[in-house]
Amino acid sequence: DIQLTQSPSSLSASVGDRVTITCRASQSIGTYLNWYQQKAGQAPKLLIYVASSLQSGVPSRFTGSGSGTDFTLSINSLQPEDFATYYCQQSSSSPYTFGQGTTLE
Amino acid sequence: QVQLQESGPGLVKPSETLSLTCSVFGTSISAYYWSWIRQPAGKGLEWIGHMYATGGPTYNPSLKSRVTMSVDTTKSQFSLKLTSVTAADTAVYYCARDGVRKQRSGGAYFFDYWGQGALVAVSS
Repeated sequence: DIQLTQSPSSLSASVGDRVTITCRASQSIGTYLNWYQQKAGQAPKLLIYVASSLQSGVPSRFTGSGSGTDFTLSINSLQPEDFATYYCQQSSSSPYTFGQGTTLE
Repeated sequence: QVQLQESGPGLVKPSETLSLTCSVFGTSISAYYWSWIRQPAGKGLEWIGHMYATGGPTYNPSLKSRVTMSVDTTKSQFSLKLTSVTAADTAVYYCARDGVRKQRSGGAYFFDYWGQGALVAVSS
């Protein structure tokens, strides 16, 4: 299985900050990397697919980049509604796997 | 708009079979892969497997011996069965649509629509 390691596991930030979350894959996955946001008690929500494509309806302050084994999710000008847990996920090979999550506090 | 809704018992006894159904609205169930994903309380996400309406399923090897998925196109539903459950199977179970972006190298898949989640507890 492809392992995804996110860093940091938690991140303290303030409204207006720019934050970056990293996801590292145990082997090259091209750009088969997606990012999700999950708020307490809710299902995950797709933010970014294929490493850098913004899902419809997601604010442009969310950006994704990377290829191969190293990927980042950046959030510009944090808003109060952005405080949540973020997961990366790979679809390069089965079984699909998720990172362990990064909680933005 | 696309909506998914899980249904099924919220409590299952150890060693019995967990059964969940996902009802799909607003999209063709025949045109996509459909996944089950679970999340134990306070923990991360685990992909259980997926299937296409007209193809065979693909299961996570960690659960493969206990999982069966099926699709009923007439009802626009897909289902999950997990046998011989233990307390470790207690989790919120999500159904999701595998969205796809077609690329030269093949399809790139992502979970673009999710159900609200069904909490299933395994306890006697």
